[in-house]
Amino acid sequence: DIQMTQSPASLSASLGETVTIECLASEDIYSNLAWYQQKPGKSPQLLIYYANSLNDGVPSRFSGSGSGTQYSLKINSLQSEDVSIYFCQQNYDSPYTFGAGTKLELK
Amino acid sequence: QVQLKESGPGLVQPSQTLSLTCTVSGFSLMDYSVHWVRQPPGKGLEWMGRMKYDGDTYYNSALKSRLSISRDTSKSQVFLKMNSLQTEDTAIYYCTRDPNYGTFYFDYWGQGVMVTVSS
Repeated sequence: DIQMTQSPASLSASLGETVTIECLASEDIYSNLAWYQQKPGKSPQLLIYYANSLNDGVPSRFSGSGSGTQYSLKINSLQSEDVSIYFCQQNYDSPYTFGAGTKLELK
Repeated sequence: QVQLKESGPGLVQPSQTLSLTCTVSGFSLMDYSVHWVRQPPGKGLEWMGRMKYDGDTYYNSALKSRLSISRDTSKSQVFLKMNSLQTEDTAIYYCTRDPNYGTFYFDYWGQGVMVTVSS
């Protein structure tokens, strides 16, 4: 199975700040990577697919990058509504595995 | 608009079989694949399996011996059955939609149904 390692596990940032979350795959996943946002008590929502494609309706302050085994999600100008848990997921090979999540809080 | 909604029992006894239904609207099961994903309380996400738009199924190898996914296209429903439940199967179970042909990421999610395995 492909292991997805997210870092950091938790993150505290101030409004307006830029934050970056990393995701490391145990093997090359050829940009087959998605990012999801899960707000407390809600279902996950797709933010980014194929490493850098923004899903419809997602604010442009969210962006994804990376290739090979290393990927990142960047949030510019942090807003209060961005407080969530963020998960990465590889959709390259079965089983389609997720990272353990990064909890983003406001400082 | 696209919607998925899970339904099923909230409590299942150990060793029993879980049966869940995902009712979809806003799209056809003959055009899009539907997956099941679960999340133990306070933990991460696990992909369980898929009902493909053509009726084919595909399972996580870790669950394959216990899991069955089927559908009724006339009712826009996808079904999950998993046997030999244990406490570690306690989780929120989500049905999700694959936005394209075999992309295996998920653009719409249901609200989820909490299933507790306990006697």
